[in-house]
Amino acid sequence: DAKTTQPNSMESNEEEPVHLPCNHSTISGTDYIHWYRQLPSQGPEYVIHGLTSNVNNRMASLAIAEDRKSSTLILHRATLRDAAVYYCILRDLGDYKLSFGAGTTVTVRA
Amino acid sequence: NAGVTQTPKFQVLKTGQSMTLQCAQDMNHEYMSWYRQDPGMGLRLIHYSVGAGITDQGEVPNGYNVSRSTTEDFPLRLLSAAPSQTSVYFCASTLKGGVTYGYTFGSGTRLTVV
Repeated sequence: DAKTTQPNSMESNEEEPVHLPCNHSTISGTDYIHWYRQLPSQGPEYVIHGLTSNVNNRMASLAIAEDRKSSTLILHRATLRDAAVYYCILRDLGDYKLSFGAGTTVTVRA
Repeated sequence: NAGVTQTPKFQVLKTGQSMTLQCAQDMNHEYMSWYRQDPGMGLRLIHYSVGAGITDQGEVPNGYNVSRSTTEDFPLRLLSAAPSQTSVYFCASTLKGGVTYGYTFGSGTRLTVV
């Protein structure tokens, strides 16, 4: 399975944007980039996914590098509720398994 | 509310006891899976199922059994509980449509084996 590398932690101030990087230098052409987050004492929650083009939804934006070796999850205006562990995961076409790494712990300061 | 329901939320077992963790989803998702999460770590896949009657092993299957008799239910059985199985267990489901769908996770079962 292709691996991802994320920083262990990041801090942000409330109402400021948060840019969460993810490196996946061995990504294959059929790997989709998925992001999940896990709030304290809860199960993971799907955030967004993409293949090649940048993606936006109500929760976040996903910016994918042209060579697809890295991506960035963007939280446009962080709130205290966004404090969570964020996981960047690669999923191959037809593969149903999720491989979780340690993720990035995001702290939001009021 | 539609989603993945796990029961119980908390459980304490004695070493050697057996039990079943329940997982049910009402979204008609074909794919279901079980993960465990140890303190400060990411989730690890235990077992998964791509449809009723079909199950397969994940990364850490030892000590656990699963079956899938219906689309809705995917119970996880601990055969003989050990302290090493103390963990938080999450059930997840998704549509059988490849990678274009996100997973829905349950809220977890926190298991302590003493």
